[in-house]
Amino acid sequence: DTAVSQTPKYLVTQMGNDKSIKCEQNLGHDTMYWYKQDSKKFLKIMFSYNNKELIINETVPNRFSPKSPDKAHLNLHINSLELGDSAVYFCASSQDSRGDGTDTQYFGPGTRLTVL
Amino acid sequence: SQQGEEDPQALSIQEGENATMNCSYKTSINNLQWYRQNSGRGLVHLILIRSNEREKHSGRLRVTLDTSKKSSSLLITASRAADTASYFCAPEGGSEKLVFGKGTKLTVNP
Repeated sequence: DTAVSQTPKYLVTQMGNDKSIKCEQNLGHDTMYWYKQDSKKFLKIMFSYNNKELIINETVPNRFSPKSPDKAHLNLHINSLELGDSAVYFCASSQDSRGDGTDTQYFGPGTRLTVL
Repeated sequence: SQQGEEDPQALSIQEGENATMNCSYKTSINNLQWYRQNSGRGLVHLILIRSNEREKHSGRLRVTLDTSKKSSSLLITASRAADTASYFCAPEGGSEKLVFGKGTKLTVNP
């Protein structure tokens, strides 16, 4: 009965490759997020989707593109991977119909991406 | 973006002792949340305190909020080894999203 799940858990790949991380939530939430936690442990938001519509798009390279096929899924595609993309990526969701972040966010287990 | 800063960065105590962590932030908020992250796992929501509340309890957790000082504290009473984790505060105000700092790394020794 996992609430927010991500796949894969670990991803090791070469520079220049294109990869995807998948996220699914079974909580019936309206809003989903992608966060990046870097080596200094700062967790920063990258994207937020509310009912399949992009709400927040922080300053991230356009090599990162979120895709939301439906309300329960928010996948993260990364093109032309670079060394600096190595981090842990967390997906989260909240029951937040306004998309303004006032509801509790439930996080997935994280995907550790290592770019060689 | 609004970001909380936790203090201390690391805390080591014995089982049964109380652990206190502090959080400071810069601008006005609607609410402040505390999260826990076990090593290698995702963030888990612990407690939310609204800007018009001064204190809130949940089990062994007690959170205080002082909006005049722009600070919050998280107290874990009668700590257990299972409480070992990193704790993050997340102040939230207006349309800004949750942005987490480095957290406080708590180690509870058996």
